[in-house]
Amino acid sequence: SYELTQSLSVSVALGQTASISCGETDIGTKSVHWYQRKTGQAPILVIYRDSVRPSGIPERFSGSNSGNTATLTINRAQAGDEADYYCQVWDSNNVVFGGGTKLTVL
Amino acid sequence: EVQLVESGGGLVQPGGSLRLSCEASGFTFSAYWMYWVRQVPGKGLEWVSRINGDGRRTNYADSVKGRFTISRDSAKNTLYVQMSSLRPDDTAIYYCARFTWAANYFDYWGQGTLVTVSS
Repeated sequence: SYELTQSLSVSVALGQTASISCGETDIGTKSVHWYQRKTGQAPILVIYRDSVRPSGIPERFSGSNSGNTATLTINRAQAGDEADYYCQVWDSNNVVFGGGTKLTVL
Repeated sequence: EVQLVESGGGLVQPGGSLRLSCEASGFTFSAYWMYWVRQVPGKGLEWVSRINGDGRRTNYADSVKGRFTISRDSAKNTLYVQMSSLRPDDTAIYYCARFTWAANYFDYWGQGTLVTVSS
């Protein structure tokens, strides 16, 4: 089965750049989507189709996908970006989520 | 504005039952596949069940097959999941989410409802 691997946690200094990765063999051949989940709030879509930002998502959020790794990049990290981030793909007629990465802004 | 509002969560004993609801607004409910996705404490997201726009096609994760039943009422714009034979490992926040087939992702989620299975 298709499994997406994410680091459990990533820390970033306030104002710096955070990179959150999502790995699987040949993930670059699939569309990757990213969600932000804050405690007690509805998850929100922050990137779809590898690199497209939905309306309302700051330009600080960007995505890329190539080879065996997809990456969500958050520039100029803010305290409000602290959250769990999940990648997701479609495989074998099913939704597949990564295990999630907890982003801490120091 | 698209809104999804879940309700029905709570504390239930192992072996018990619970029905969750998700009231949708701001879009043509019958035009979308809808999912239930859960987040077990300390773990990642897991899709639980899905249903097509007219309610005739449903699918379930192996972990809940035979115990959960998804349904929808287009007149009420509401999605349901009937959960029975609940186990402690069903303890999770349950989210409903709208699925976009254009690129196979969830474009809107509800805020979630907590289900705790414990004696």
